[in-house]
Formats: sequence, structure tokens, C-alpha cells
Amino acid sequence: ETGVTQTPRHLVMGMTNKKSLKCEQHLGHNAMYWYKQSAKKPLELMFVYSLEERVENNSVPSRFSPECPNSSHLFLHLHTLQPEDSALYLCASSQDWIPGDKFYEQYFGPGTRLTVT
Amino acid sequence: GESVGLHLPTLSVQEGDNSIINCAYSNSASDYFIWYKQESGKGPQFIIDIRSNMDKRQGQRVTVLLNKTVKHLSLQIAATQPGDSAVYFCAENYSGGGADGLTFGKGTHLIIQP
Repeated sequence: ETGVTQTPRHLVMGMTNKKSLKCEQHLGHNAMYWYKQSAKKPLELMFVYSLEERVENNSVPSRFSPECPNSSHLFLHLHTLQPEDSALYLCASSQDWIPGDKFYEQYFGPGTRLTVT
Repeated sequence: GESVGLHLPTLSVQEGDNSIINCAYSNSASDYFIWYKQESGKGPQFIIDIRSNMDKRQGQRVTVLLNKTVKHLSLQIAATQPGDSAVYFCAENYSGGGADGLTFGKGTHLIIQP
């Protein structure tokens, strides 16, 4: 399997549930990202990991908890979410992440469509 | 407010015609711009990019134009095909902007009429 994969593709959860989103990249990249895409809103960067270290947390509420056990896998742990958290959650990866220097193209996964009831 | 925006939420074109999708940005210091295509049920896919030291860049059936004077970016798709139906959005990057990464626009839904 190539590229960036995400599971599950669809998830419905109650506000008291705990669930996790999984992302895997098969590109040998060093950087991975979580984005949130809400209806009629621009893509919002949530977290950036570079070489398994979190380098960016874009003011995301603590009910979203990322985990990067290795450079190929990225998780987003969810707990006590709100209905307004319903969105498409996209994972991406890039060769590297060097702010202020060269921009590395980001490759996106298909996303997980999350609905919070 | 958002840094990058698109003029039209929906654009409908006849198959075979050329499509022009526009984008306005507000950060005059942005030095790198990208157009993405997002088909239904899929993640964004890179189409073409352009750096601020260029005015025009061509790819296969696509052309990106950058007008830094009015801070305007456009994507031209030649001979639009049914497979071009998707949401297109632009993104900008300011290399001196720290770790904020790309700033994305909302997107324009391109609809192809047979």
C-alpha cells in the first residue's frame, strides 16, 4: 500500500466516548500533520510532528491528544468531544518540516469523517 | 480574518471550456503558493505551485498566475473534463512565518456541465 492511509474512514461517536484516529504513511517521510476540515471553512492545522517530536500545537483543545510512536504512524486520540468537533480530519506527511526554510510538499490521506452526536 | 480567500464558492463550466478559479491573499510577504484539488471523499491533492519571484507557471493543462501587485492568484484549467470536478483551494506560505505552515483558502467547487 502506498501514500498516506487513514482509518477509520467514517466515525460516529457520542460526547462521552473515547476513540482514536489512525494515520500511516508509506513514503519514508519525517514529518506528519493533523488537519481539521470543517464545512465551509478553510483547512486548519492542528498538530505537526517532526521525527516523532511534536513541534506545533496550534491552540488545539486538550480533548484532542496526538501520539506519534514512530515516523510512519500518527494517532489522534479523542475524548469528551463536542458536536462542533464534527469535521473531516486529515492526516498529511512531508519529507521534512523546517519552518523558515524550504517548504516540503505535503501529501494528504483521504481523511476520517467524524460525527459527534 | 483568514489570510487567503476565494472569490466564488461555486463555478459551473461547460465540458471542454477553460476554467478560471481565483484566489485573493492578504499577506504581501507570502513567498510560496499552492493550488490543491480535493475530490469528493478524498484528501487534497497538490496540483501546481508558484514562488513569489514568478508571475506564471504552467503544468499539464493547468496554469497558475500570480499578481503580486493586487495580491491575486488564479488557476486556469484548459479544456475542462468531467474528472476536473472537485473543490479547488489555494494555500500560501510565508517562509519567515515560523511554524504556522500553510494558510488555506475556503475553496471553490468546480462543477462540469456536459
